[in-house]
Amino acid sequence: AQSVTQPDIHITVSEGASLELRCNYSYGATPYLFWYVQSPGQGLQLLLKYFSGDTLVQGIKGFEAEFKRSQSSFNLRKPSVHWSDAAEYFCAVGRAGGGADGLTFGKGTHLIIQP
Amino acid sequence: NAGVTQTPKFQVLKTGQSMTLQCAQDMNHNSMYWYRQDPGMGLRLIYYSASEGTTDKGEVPNGYNVSRLNKREFSLRLESAAPSQTSVYFCASSSGTWGFTDTQYFGPGTRLTVL
Repeated sequence: AQSVTQPDIHITVSEGASLELRCNYSYGATPYLFWYVQSPGQGLQLLLKYFSGDTLVQGIKGFEAEFKRSQSSFNLRKPSVHWSDAAEYFCAVGRAGGGADGLTFGKGTHLIIQP
Repeated sequence: NAGVTQTPKFQVLKTGQSMTLQCAQDMNHNSMYWYRQDPGMGLRLIYYSASEGTTDKGEVPNGYNVSRLNKREFSLRLESAAPSQTSVYFCASSSGTWGFTDTQYFGPGTRLTVL
């Protein structure tokens, strides 16, 4: 069965500093990978996704993520965070070509931005 | 274009009461999903529907039933609510279907408390 691990429950970053959120997945074949962001009291918004091709993917709000097959990782990065980036971030994996049976989510990383 | 809508936004039930959570999407998506979100647990799939007329169990289906009323609507029913079902419930939809995975789009959530 597929699984997703987000090792950091909480991360605190100063405004303007760079950010990296870690995501490791377990899946026997090529996965489809996603990062979602959830602001307090809101639903989930897609930041970016990787299906195939270039392993460095660009998303909304200045985020990017790199798929590293050898490390089973899909880490999310941003060069300079803004106070509005404070939120919960979820990494998720879906079955490539497997279709409609839902995503498996990590438990989330809570990002705190210090002024 | 409203995307994925959910009603109600908030609900308080007593143990043993029943209720139905409603979800609708206007994106002509094939697949729809119900997840629950609990603190520190990420999102877990309850049920999904890969196409109109089909439903399947996810990771945590016990205590729930679903109905795919038509292509737009997917409801989640709690027949006899229990305190363990206190959670935030998210509906999602995707253009993916069997053999094709695609991005899932989420509704704003329903916050349910069972006393």
